[in-house]
Amino acid sequence: QKEVEQDPGPLSVPEGAIVSLNCTYSNSAFQYFMWYRQYSRKGPELLMYTYSSGNKEDGRFTAQVDKSSKYISLFIRDSQPSDSATYLCARTNFGNEKLTFGTGTRLTIIP
Amino acid sequence: GAVVSQHPSRVICKSGTSVKIECRSLDFQATTMFWYRQFPKQSLMLMATSNEGSKATYEQGVEKDKFLINHASLTLSTLTVTSAHPEDSSFYICSAKDRSSSYEQYFGPGTRLTVT
Repeated sequence: QKEVEQDPGPLSVPEGAIVSLNCTYSNSAFQYFMWYRQYSRKGPELLMYTYSSGNKEDGRFTAQVDKSSKYISLFIRDSQPSDSATYLCARTNFGNEKLTFGTGTRLTIIP
Repeated sequence: GAVVSQHPSRVICKSGTSVKIECRSLDFQATTMFWYRQFPKQSLMLMATSNEGSKATYEQGVEKDKFLINHASLTLSTLTVTSAHPEDSSFYICSAKDRSSSYEQYFGPGTRLTVT
């Protein structure tokens, strides 16, 4: 079983829709959870991180962690064509520098 | 914000030759740098962790004699792919961890390697 599971998509939604991206993880010791956005042929950029259960909001983005079910989500409100990218979830443990990535979900926002 | 650069951005080489890729943290000191490989439509796979002034730690299945990593300073790490073969063609991405951060890594733009 992979440590971080993510549906690779692709996922296409119309502009303005709410996007829901999800990952599950298997190791309950994971402390930090991140969402990265990667445009084609570019390096990933950190969108959001969280280390506790619950929601964290930043503009149009909301990260949600449910540690009891080992489920993490990223919601994008009022989606824009510029949001079209691959979204990667990742996790790491406190004190451990290694990041483990999900496979990434390719998202396309249709104008 | 923290910026990480990679050079070159794209390289084509012949089978059997060696290629060096540089990763630099431009505005912060990176005690730790990471090298990842990403195949098309796949996620990032960690190859090795590089600490300044010490030997790199390689992930299982990564040949340390083939992928030479040098982290000579707090702002520079290099990855040399020795005796490259077509199966080494991939997107290589580095990241750097600011010494003041407990978790955040800043990623470079990546290097596209094509071995012919």
